[in-house]
Amino acid sequence: AQSVAQPEDQVNVAEGNPLTVKCTYSVSGNPYLFWYVQYPNRGLQFLLKYITGDNLVKGSYGFEAEFNKSQTSFHLKKPSALVSDSALYFCAVRSGTYKYIFGTGTRLKVLA
Amino acid sequence: NAGVTQTPKFRVLKTGQSMTLLCAQDMNHEYMYWYRQDPGMGLRLIHYSVGEGTTAKGEVPDGYNVSRLKKQNFLLGLESAAPSQTSVYFCASSYSLGSGELFFGEGSRLTVL
Repeated sequence: AQSVAQPEDQVNVAEGNPLTVKCTYSVSGNPYLFWYVQYPNRGLQFLLKYITGDNLVKGSYGFEAEFNKSQTSFHLKKPSALVSDSALYFCAVRSGTYKYIFGTGTRLKVLA
Repeated sequence: NAGVTQTPKFRVLKTGQSMTLLCAQDMNHEYMYWYRQDPGMGLRLIHYSVGEGTTAKGEVPDGYNVSRLKKQNFLLGLESAAPSQTSVYFCASSYSLGSGELFFGEGSRLTVL
């Protein structure tokens, strides 16, 4: 079965420190992988995606993600966290042509 | 740019009542989706549509119906609301071609008493 796992319910990081939000996946074939961010009382916003090519993908707001095929991971990273990065982050994988499977989400809290 | 618009944003129902959530997108997207978001469970797909006049069941379709009579609109109906349908509902859309990231509405918070 195809699935996405986000092993951490919450990640705390000090402002200015690097952050990592973890995601692993299980999917047949080549994965299309996505990260979305959700701010309080808002819909999800697209951050970045991996389709093919360079394993390091850059996205919005200074975020990047590293695709690792051998470890079936797609971790979200940022070199220097901001308080305004505090939000709920979702990893997702596209299953087939038009269906998406989401992880359960990781709450990122950046402490001033 | 409106993007994906959901109405209403909030609604309180009594058990057994019916209601319809409306999703409208102005991006000429082929694919549209209804998800529900519950704490600790992420987003679960209720129903989806790959084009005007077509709908299909997702992961948790029971108790819901949908219609896509026009390409820009995707309606989610609850015929007889139950407390288990208390949730935040999100509509999303995407292009049929390309890598297809999803564009989400702002959500509709439904409480069933």
